[in-house]
Amino acid sequence: AQSVTQPDIHITVSEGASLELRCNYSYGATPYLFWYVQSPGQGLQLLLKYFSGDTLVQGIKGFEAEFKRSQSSFNLRKPSVHWSDAAEYFCVLNRDDKIIFGKGTRLHILP
Amino acid sequence: NAGVMQNPRHLVRRRGQEARLRCSPMKGHSHVYWYRQLPEEGLKFMVYLQKENIIDESGMPKERFSAEFPKEGPSILRIQQVVRGDSAAYFCASSRGVAAFWEADTQYFGPGTRLTVL
Repeated sequence: AQSVTQPDIHITVSEGASLELRCNYSYGATPYLFWYVQSPGQGLQLLLKYFSGDTLVQGIKGFEAEFKRSQSSFNLRKPSVHWSDAAEYFCVLNRDDKIIFGKGTRLHILP
Repeated sequence: NAGVMQNPRHLVRRRGQEARLRCSPMKGHSHVYWYRQLPEEGLKFMVYLQKENIIDESGMPKERFSAEFPKEGPSILRIQQVVRGDSAAYFCASSRGVAAFWEADTQYFGPGTRLTVL
């Protein structure tokens, strides 16, 4: 079955700490993968995307993600979070008119 | 370059009324997608449209919901005889469309419309 799983519903980290948000997928072919962020009261914003090529993808706001085929993962990372990173993050698979969203991970930042 | 626009941003309806949500895609985009975000749940795909055509409506409830993307004007998501369970945030996304099947088509999202049914 085709699916996107974000195993962590909530994550809390201290400001300045590193961050990793997990995303696992199940798909028969090479997926096209995206990470979106939704800040309170705002729409979704594209952080980064992976189609092919270099498996380490750089995005906006200092985020990066690494595609690991062997682990069927596309985890989002940031070396040092800021209070403004508090938001909900969605991992999305989009290929061949298939659009599959993860349930989202809500990130909380401690001062 | 204006992004995807949705209006209204907030919509309040009483049970049994109709709700019309509008989405204007980014300039140059001919593909529109509608999603619903229910409280405590992830985004769920509803329908995918190109100009004057519904491509995929597998996520649309069978009754009361309809969508269109006319040749001129915004895409409209229409909910007839709303019920409390329709209260949610509805997001629209647009994309350019791709020329070849191996290309990926990035979607850009609007700010959403929050529908509240009293």
